[in-house]
Amino acid sequence: AQSVAQPEDQVNVAEGNPLTVKCTYSVSGNPYLFWYVQYPNRGLQFLLKYITGDNLVKGSYGFEAEFNKSQTSFHLKKPSALVSDSALYFCAVRDIGAGSYQLTFGKGTKLSVIP
Amino acid sequence: KAGVTQTPRYLIKTRGQQVTLSCSPISGHRSVSWYQQTPGQGLQFLFEYFSETQRNKGNFPGRFSGRQFSNSRSEMNVSTLELGDSALYLCASSLVGGGNDEQYFGPGTRLTVT
Repeated sequence: AQSVAQPEDQVNVAEGNPLTVKCTYSVSGNPYLFWYVQYPNRGLQFLLKYITGDNLVKGSYGFEAEFNKSQTSFHLKKPSALVSDSALYFCAVRDIGAGSYQLTFGKGTKLSVIP
Repeated sequence: KAGVTQTPRYLIKTRGQQVTLSCSPISGHRSVSWYQQTPGQGLQFLFEYFSETQRNKGNFPGRFSGRQFSNSRSEMNVSTLELGDSALYLCASSLVGGGNDEQYFGPGTRLTVT
């Protein structure tokens, strides 16, 4: 079975400061990992994904994520937060070995960037 | 390229009624997935279709069903609506589904059951 945990329901950060949104995963084999963002009354937008290879993945809007296999983590990061980054962020996993077509999402982390 | 579209955007139904939601994927995408989003449960997977076949199904009762047409458009149906079915229903499309295929989401249909 595949699962994702986002340990923080809410993260507050001051504008201009670095931000981190945490994600840990559990799969039986190797993972494909994704980050999505959701703005109010909108669907989810794809930010970035980890397939294999480089542990630091760069995505849209200046976001990046660091894959750590030993800690089974895939934390989302941005060097300098913007007020417009305030949104709901979802981490998702798909188990490569299970041949699953299903993406399993975490419960989401609400990011608030304070001016 | 046009994004994923969902109709209707908002819907109000009464308990016991049934509802059909529609999703048009991005052109060329053949996999369509459906999710239910609620504040308490987050995003829960309903089912996934590819080439008119259901390949994956989540843990939902049989009142929730879906189908996919030859043009990859998909519909989901909920029969005998319950208050707990009130949620945002999201459709997502991807090229072939699975693997490292990322999904692209529509804006959702907000269903309110009274």
